[in-house]
Amino acid sequence: QSALTQPRSVSGSPGQSVTISCTGTSSDVGGYNYVSWYQQHPGKAPKLMIYDVTNRPSGVPDRFSGSKSGNTASLTISGLQAEDEADYYCCSYAGSYTVVFGGGTELTVL
Amino acid sequence: QLQLQESGPGLVKPSETLSLTCTVSGGSFSSGSYYWGWIRQPPGKGLEWIGSISYSGSTSYNPSLKSRVTISVDTSKNQFSLKLSSVTAADTAVYYCARREGGKSGGFDYWGQGTLVAVSS
Repeated sequence: QSALTQPRSVSGSPGQSVTISCTGTSSDVGGYNYVSWYQQHPGKAPKLMIYDVTNRPSGVPDRFSGSKSGNTASLTISGLQAEDEADYYCCSYAGSYTVVFGGGTELTVL
Repeated sequence: QLQLQESGPGLVKPSETLSLTCTVSGGSFSSGSYYWGWIRQPPGKGLEWIGSISYSGSTSYNPSLKSRVTISVDTSKNQFSLKLSSVTAADTAVYYCARREGGKSGGFDYWGQGTLVAVSS
């Protein structure tokens, strides 16, 4: 069970859109529609932003959206705002009631 | 509003056993659909899932940690616990407890604030 692969960092200007990728294998991301995404600000606990690939929990702005193609899932943030600057982690079900996280992506709002 | 709170020693000696407890309050702990998990984050690094347990006591563990991890549940106290044996400096991390809506689907929707555990003599 290896960590999912995410870019170390991405950046964008306010108002722009950014996409963070999360690449796994057919044993995790590609095998199930159970990918979730988390936002983490420094010194804080992670916050669930997307679950089951495309679903947003109540209270999460619709600027955040998720998708998946094959073994790669993606998180897109549109209308980038300063408060979106944080670390983002993907997580996938990997069979036998186990899950695996991605290595994390640092988002910088320029 | 559901709240989770980690508790336990902040310092553990190498080769000893790390023990943490997560107390759940303000909501339903007894629902069979929820899974309760432990996730850790070494300083400056990413998240690592340690393992999860259902209300009924079914467990699943990260294969890389499985030989050293035990997660248990005490339904009478609305608590679940983590034991990690034979710790080394590599186990130094912030340890989070969290709720997952299902064993497969859903996400970790409620998290504790995290507790830093250092492994040092």
